[in-house]
Amino acid sequence: KNEVEQSPQNLTAQEGEFITINCSYSVGISALHWLQQHPGGGIVSLFMLSSGKKKHGRLIATINIQEKHSSLHITASHPRDSAVYICAVYSGGSNYKLTFGKGTLLTVNP
Amino acid sequence: GAVVSQHPSWVICKSGTSVKIECRSLDFQATTMFWYRQFPKQSLMLMATSNEGSKATYEQGVEKDKFLINHASLTLSTLTVTSAHPEDSSFYICSGARGTDTQYFGPGTRLTVL
Repeated sequence: KNEVEQSPQNLTAQEGEFITINCSYSVGISALHWLQQHPGGGIVSLFMLSSGKKKHGRLIATINIQEKHSSLHITASHPRDSAVYICAVYSGGSNYKLTFGKGTLLTVNP
Repeated sequence: GAVVSQHPSWVICKSGTSVKIECRSLDFQATTMFWYRQFPKQSLMLMATSNEGSKATYEQGVEKDKFLINHASLTLSTLTVTSAHPEDSSFYICSGARGTDTQYFGPGTRLTVL
């Protein structure tokens, strides 16, 4: 079974700061997801990665397959980025079953 | 991207009643649907996996007679919480996947049992 660890659990930043959230997993994977959950609950898929790096606006996600590690970066953070960020991995198999990290609560203050 | 809807978005019911939550994939065929439960300040907990036309596979500790899952078509799955009790109050999220493609999450349903 894959174990997914995220750090930090909680993160408070000032508007404009560069944010990094980390995710480590224990077993080889086929894909890694970064998800965003705002208060109120809806989950938005930010990235799906199997290698390298992806960028979307102010968000950047990287993955190092050898080190079993991924990072989510937010540049020029904004209060609207305040949310829970969840790392989830797919380890292969007939169903696309995900293993979730516990999430990182990000609060960006104006 | 693919869209998954849930209905209702929130529901309040009395203890002992049954509640049905619908999960629909709007623009794709979901061969597999997943049902999650999330308690406050906790991560998503997988309850069951259902493949269209088959019985759902429940995770350990999830009562299949209490949480009835039906996946009758490639675009609709339902979760029925039978004889709901206050401890069933939670946020329920579904997601759909087509084969080994990625999961697409619904917006969730907040259930409050009085």
